[in-house]
Amino acid sequence: KQEVTQIPAALSVPEGENLVLNCSFTDSAIYNLQWFRQDPGKGLTSLLLIQSSQREQTSGRLNASLDKSSGRSTLYIAASQPGDSATYLCAVPGGNMLTFGGGTRLMVKP
Amino acid sequence: SAVISQKPSRDICQRGTSLTIQCQVDSQVTMMFWYRQQPGQSLTLIATANQGSEATYESGFVIDKFPISRPNLTFSTLTVSNMSPEDSSIYLCSVELQEVYGYTFGSGTRLTVV
Repeated sequence: KQEVTQIPAALSVPEGENLVLNCSFTDSAIYNLQWFRQDPGKGLTSLLLIQSSQREQTSGRLNASLDKSSGRSTLYIAASQPGDSATYLCAVPGGNMLTFGGGTRLMVKP
Repeated sequence: SAVISQKPSRDICQRGTSLTIQCQVDSQVTMMFWYRQQPGQSLTLIATANQGSEATYESGFVIDKFPISRPNLTFSTLTVSNMSPEDSSIYLCSVELQEVYGYTFGSGTRLTVV
């Protein structure tokens, strides 16, 4: 059974810092990995999707990497802003469903 | 990727009543997924809804409590029945249009049962 873990569970940083969120998964037989953002009480917004054949994906200030062999992915946020404050979730597909990590709750202070 | 319209966005309901949540997708999809997110927790899959057949429920979820309809390839409803305060959660629907696009989620329904 796939298990997904995210570290840290919570993170508070001053505005402008670069930061790294970590995601690990136990079953490396995945075809992609997805990072989502969730604002309080809201749905999920897809940030980045990395196919299993790719090593990384970039969108603006966000960069996600994937190392299938070690079962790890990282989400790098450059020059963080208060508007980046949210919960970040990674998820991997398997058996027609997504398995989610517990999320990292990010607070960026002005 | 797909666009999902989910309604209602939030509701406050009395215990013992039922609430039906709707999801409309702008593309035809074979499977639609319903998730629950309890306060402070990550997402848990409730069931998978296929058009023309009964939904497949995950362990811990039953049809009598969470009946699902899937009348066509673009629409599904989830009903939360005989609600109790423990049902207070965010409920989300999701689809995967194609593997290359990943999963798309609705905007969520924030349910509070009093």
